Amino acid sequence: QQQVKQSPQSLIVQKGGISIINCAYENTAFDYFPWYQQFPGKGPALLIAIRPDVSEKKEGRFTISFNKSAKQFSLHIMDSQPGDSATYFCAASYPLNFGNEKLTFGTGTRLTIIP
Amino acid sequence: EAQVTQNPRYLITVTGKKLTVTCSQNMNHEYMSWYRQDPGLGLRQIYYSMNVEVTDKGDVPEGYKVSRKEKRNFPLILESPSPNQTSLYFCASRSTGTIYGYTFGSGTRLTVV
Repeated sequence: QQQVKQSPQSLIVQKGGISIINCAYENTAFDYFPWYQQFPGKGPALLIAIRPDVSEKKEGRFTISFNKSAKQFSLHIMDSQPGDSATYFCAASYPLNFGNEKLTFGTGTRLTIIP
Repeated sequence: EAQVTQNPRYLITVTGKKLTVTCSQNMNHEYMSWYRQDPGLGLRQIYYSMNVEVTDKGDVPEGYKVSRKEKRNFPLILESPSPNQTSLYFCASRSTGTIYGYTFGSGTRLTVV
């Protein structure tokens, strides 16, 4: 059962364009939504994250938009650059006991920025 | 440099031959976890550990074992590997003081023939 659905599976965007990756979830217990960026041969690295009490968070060219009622969130990369070419994973978590959490990842989007 | 170190990076083995993938972190993190990454399935948690001698199953624990005898180390053990365990494996750690951000290792690509 895939609790976090991510789309598209792959995405090609021209340099300077806007890259948009979408995720949807069902479990309303999720209270933290991070995005991870993974370059070939490397492990995922935290890129940006949001709590559901805000609708948008921006860090440089990266923005998370969050729609709590629709249970959807998306990553926008403005002015996309070749160096942004990577695989992006959305994720969602909810707290468990004693500092633990249940973190669930989406299936990933391979982003390619072409000149 | 703060990091999670996995070894080996690449491993080809035969069905049934026991193997261990090592994981070590230098950040004094309490929480450590193992994931496998497969195309179209994303990252799925195998096992995790909240602290020394405290481990628990994740979403896909069948065929794997772990141990946490020291805070910095969290090895993944495949007692009798099978071809369906061919995958890319990641170890990750974080402080239990925050849920904000895991540090991942660079991965171990395992092929079982």
